[in-house]
Amino acid sequence: DVKVTQSSRYLVKRTGEKVFLECVQDMDHENMFWYRQDPGLGLRLIYFSYDVKMKEKGDIPEGYSVSREKKERFSLILESASTNQTSMYLCASRPPGTDTQYFGPGTRLTVL
Amino acid sequence: AQSVTQLGSHVSVSEGALVLLRCNYSSSVPPYLFWYVQYPNQGLQLLLKYTSAATLVKGINGFEAEFKKSETSFHLTKPSAHMSDAAEYFCAVSYNQGGKLIFGQGTELSVKP
Repeated sequence: DVKVTQSSRYLVKRTGEKVFLECVQDMDHENMFWYRQDPGLGLRLIYFSYDVKMKEKGDIPEGYSVSREKKERFSLILESASTNQTSMYLCASRPPGTDTQYFGPGTRLTVL
Repeated sequence: AQSVTQLGSHVSVSEGALVLLRCNYSSSVPPYLFWYVQYPNQGLQLLLKYTSAATLVKGINGFEAEFKKSETSFHLTKPSAHMSDAAEYFCAVSYNQGGKLIFGQGTELSVKP
């Protein structure tokens, strides 16, 4: 069965903190994605990666960076968290040559 | 820019009634189209997808969607709503196989007893 896990379901951080959100998939997928989900805006792509050490900017990369040192793990980094980064963050992975993305349960981040 | 529009951020139906969730896309070429569902406190799960085969696509849990090129639409329907269908539904589009997904704003479905 397909499994994408995210390190935390809920996270509270302070403005200016460095924040790491971790995503792990156990399906050997090359492609991994980070989205943020906000009411009325749907899901917006932050970054994606199609292989180890490879990354591409999505539609809203500002304020974020990513790391993919191993195939199964894709990390989203907020270098200096701000209140406007309070959101739900969803990770997804996708097998090569297919269209279907598999999503993790999400991390609800609150920045105070 | 390519976009996806879901008409209605919130839809409420009675149990047993028809469910209709609307999705329109902007494109000059036929896209790949998807519906995802998000149950409370969970990630997204694929309901169904259109990839240029049959225009009427059947998905899980009794849902189906029809691709209408002339209307640039991909509306999601279910003949009879169940309480367990209460969730948020997202329409998404991709313009090449394995390409980036562009999501609509989401429609929250409520089902009244």
